[in-house]
Parts: sequence; C-alpha cells; structure tokens
Amino acid sequence: DAGVIQSPRHEVTEMGQEVTLRCKPISGHNSLFWYRQTMMRGLELLIYFNNNVPIDDSGMPEDRFSAKMPNASFSTLKIQPSEPRDSAVYFCASSPLKRPNVLTFGAGSRLTVL
Amino acid sequence: AQRVTQPEKLLSVFKGAPVELKCNYSYSGSPELFWYVQYSRQRLQLLLRHISRESIKGFTADLNKGETSFHLKKPFAQEEDSAMYYCALSPGAGSYQLTFGKGTKLSVIP
Repeated sequence: DAGVIQSPRHEVTEMGQEVTLRCKPISGHNSLFWYRQTMMRGLELLIYFNNNVPIDDSGMPEDRFSAKMPNASFSTLKIQPSEPRDSAVYFCASSPLKRPNVLTFGAGSRLTVL
Repeated sequence: AQRVTQPEKLLSVFKGAPVELKCNYSYSGSPELFWYVQYSRQRLQLLLRHISRESIKGFTADLNKGETSFHLKKPFAQEEDSAMYYCALSPGAGSYQLTFGKGTKLSVIP
C-alpha cells in the first residue's frame, strides 16, 4: 500500500479563489481525518469521517470550508473563497476500524493564499 | 476537554547525551497517549503508544498518571533523531479523537 496519498503537495493561490485538496486513504481503513497545521495553533482536527459519513465537523472553521467523502477511497477538502489566513499545511489521515485513534498520515498539502 | 502541553518548542542536545521530551496532559478519564514524529521532509508518523510498552528506535515513554505526564526519553541521542515530536492524547482505545500538543523540535548536535 502506498499509504495515504494527498494532492496537491503545494498550492499557491490568490485570495478569493477556490481551493480543492484531495486525499486517498489506505485501503481498508474506515476512518478518515482532515487536520490543519499552523505555527500558531499546531495540529487541529477539522473533520472526521467514519465509513464515508461525516461524524464530527466541529473543527471546520467556517462555512467557507467543506469536505466530502463520496466513497471509501476518496475525500476532498474545499475552501471557497480562500483567504490568506487559510494558509497552512493540511493533512489527511486514515485509521482502521479496530484502532480508530492510530492514524496514518499523508504527506500534507501546503497551501499558500496570497 | 482534553489538553496536551509540550513546554519546549526547541530542544538541543549533543550526540550521545540523554534526551527527554516533556509532555503533560489534562484529562479526567483514562486516556491513551501517543508520540508522533516528523522527520525532515517526511510525513508525520506514529513513534509509540503507551499501551504497547515498547521501545522504538531506543525511545521509551512511561505514562505517569499521578503527574499526568508522558515524557519521551532516550539514553543516548543520535543525529538521526533530529525531528519534530508531537505528543497526542486520545480519550480511549475506541475513540477517534486525538488531541495533539504543539510539538517540540529536537536538534541533535554532532
């Protein structure tokens, strides 16, 4: 297994543009997480999916952020419109059924909003 | 609510010296504690879990419920140990919730 795959690895965009980050979890894992990492706030959980269903989205900052998981092998995190304060590294992670809190992380997507 | 505190943002030690990365937590129940590590240009990865009681790459960590701490230790630091280390807490084995500390950057000086 290639692990958790994220794309793009780097994204530079201008304020107001739509940003879509993508994630492919490990096959067989039924939990998927999106985290945001910033210098000020560290790693924050944005949203948690279980069996493709959003269970906890309390960490999603505001309505500009949305996440979907249309099937077990794909998830997106969308920011529309993007703002400079959204600049961060966004991590996707997945975990297996029996160990939901043992996460395997992707390499991250570094977003810069100008 | 749970909280994880890593008091040191940066820790520098000489090669061969002992290392202790501090982690303190606040949680009223019986949590599960983890250490994750991120080497330069690599992804964040699990280093060890307290329930496994194992030593990984020479690192150990003991959960001290009285002091609510989970410090990471290694008797002799190696240059390849230089990385960011994150302590994390989960309310329990069946929980998806994982609260991370802000991390400590370990720099091992040759």
